Amino acid sequence: QKEVEQDPGPLSVPEGAIVSLNCTYSNSAFQYFMWYRQYSRKGPELLMYTYSSGNKEDGRFTAQVDKSSKYISLFIRDSQPSDSATYLCAMNGRSSYKLIFGSGTRLLVRP
Amino acid sequence: DAMVIQNPRYQVTQFGKPVTLSCSQTLNHNVMYWYQQKSSQAPKLLFHYYDKDFNNEADTPDNFQSRRPNTSFCFLDIRSPGLGDAAMYLCATSRDSLGEQFFGPGTRLTVL
Repeated sequence: QKEVEQDPGPLSVPEGAIVSLNCTYSNSAFQYFMWYRQYSRKGPELLMYTYSSGNKEDGRFTAQVDKSSKYISLFIRDSQPSDSATYLCAMNGRSSYKLIFGSGTRLLVRP
Repeated sequence: DAMVIQNPRYQVTQFGKPVTLSCSQTLNHNVMYWYQQKSSQAPKLLFHYYDKDFNNEADTPDNFQSRRPNTSFCFLDIRSPGLGDAAMYLCATSRDSLGEQFFGPGTRLTVL
């Protein structure tokens, strides 16, 4: 079993839809949680960084962490075709530099 | 703007011919990382530097080496590239070991 599970998709939605991307994890030592967006042939771009349970909002993006269920989510409101990319969740523990990535979810927003 | 820069963006080399990829950062971060990412896979950590302290991942092949001559620059050397080393190579930085990591645009390596 992988430490971090993420549905690879692809997830196809119409423009304007609310998108929900999710990761589950098994290691209770994970304390810091990140979401990255990666366009084809580009480097990952950090979207959200959280370290506590609850919600964090930034523009159209909301990151949600539920440590009791070992479950994190990224919500994208009013999705745009420019949001079409692969979304990677990543996390690490208090005493570890090493990011553990999910396998990424490919999102396609149709005009 | 503070950023992570990688050069070249595309590199073509021949089987067995050494190649060096470079990364520079203007963020003044203490930690620099090198990742390998193959198609449709998550990035895989090769090694990282905390300041001048080098940390190799246990499963990183000996074929891969790294140098960090100063805070701003870090190099990835592939001594004898094989066909299986064709990938995107990503450099990342973080302020310290626990902070969020910021990635550069990557260097796509092709091995002929």
